[in-house]
Amino acid sequence: GQNIDQPTEMTATEGAIVQINCTYQTSGFNGLFWYQQHAGEAPTFLSYNVLDGLEEKGRFSSFLSRSKGYSYLLLKELQMKDSASYLCAVMDSNYQLIWGAGTKLIIKP
Amino acid sequence: DGGITQSPKYLFRKEGQNVTLSCEQNLNHDAMYWYRQDPGQGLRLIYYSQIVNDFQKGDIAEGYSVSREKKESFPLTVTSAQKNPTAFYLCASSITLGTGASIQYFGAGTRLSVL
Repeated sequence: GQNIDQPTEMTATEGAIVQINCTYQTSGFNGLFWYQQHAGEAPTFLSYNVLDGLEEKGRFSSFLSRSKGYSYLLLKELQMKDSASYLCAVMDSNYQLIWGAGTKLIIKP
Repeated sequence: DGGITQSPKYLFRKEGQNVTLSCEQNLNHDAMYWYRQDPGQGLRLIYYSQIVNDFQKGDIAEGYSVSREKKESFPLTVTSAQKNPTAFYLCASSITLGTGASIQYFGAGTRLSVL
């Protein structure tokens, strides 16, 4: 079966750095996506990785290792507004997105 | 302003009633999707459409129906056959990348509850 695993909840301090991990087992691979979802709102697209390595976009970076079935989202200089759920999703061989349950990130002052 | 509009934001369904959730996009995207989100679970695909007048079932299509008569619109009907409809419903549309993959963009969602 297809499976995406990510921690249920993480806590971090304002101004710090946090890494949210995602491991996956899917039928084929056509890219890995990270989305941010504030409570009660729609997911918003953060990043897309299809090749191994690190993609940096401002305070957010996303890493992919296809051989390990592993990705992480790195958030730097945390702000209170970063408190949200972070969803990892993999596009499988049929170009369908398989979603993880999301990681709820709590930022403390 | 380009985007995806879902309405209503909140919806209540009575027993035995069908309800329809609206989704409209002005992004000129070909593909559209309906997901259901329940607490503690990943998004689950209900239906998707890659072109007008064509749609496919997702993983949890039972108790739901859709239509795609216009490129801009992809309404979802939750029928009385869906016995556990309480959830957050998300509509998305996507743009295809050069790799063949696509990025999905979401509407604000409709929260459906049963009276």
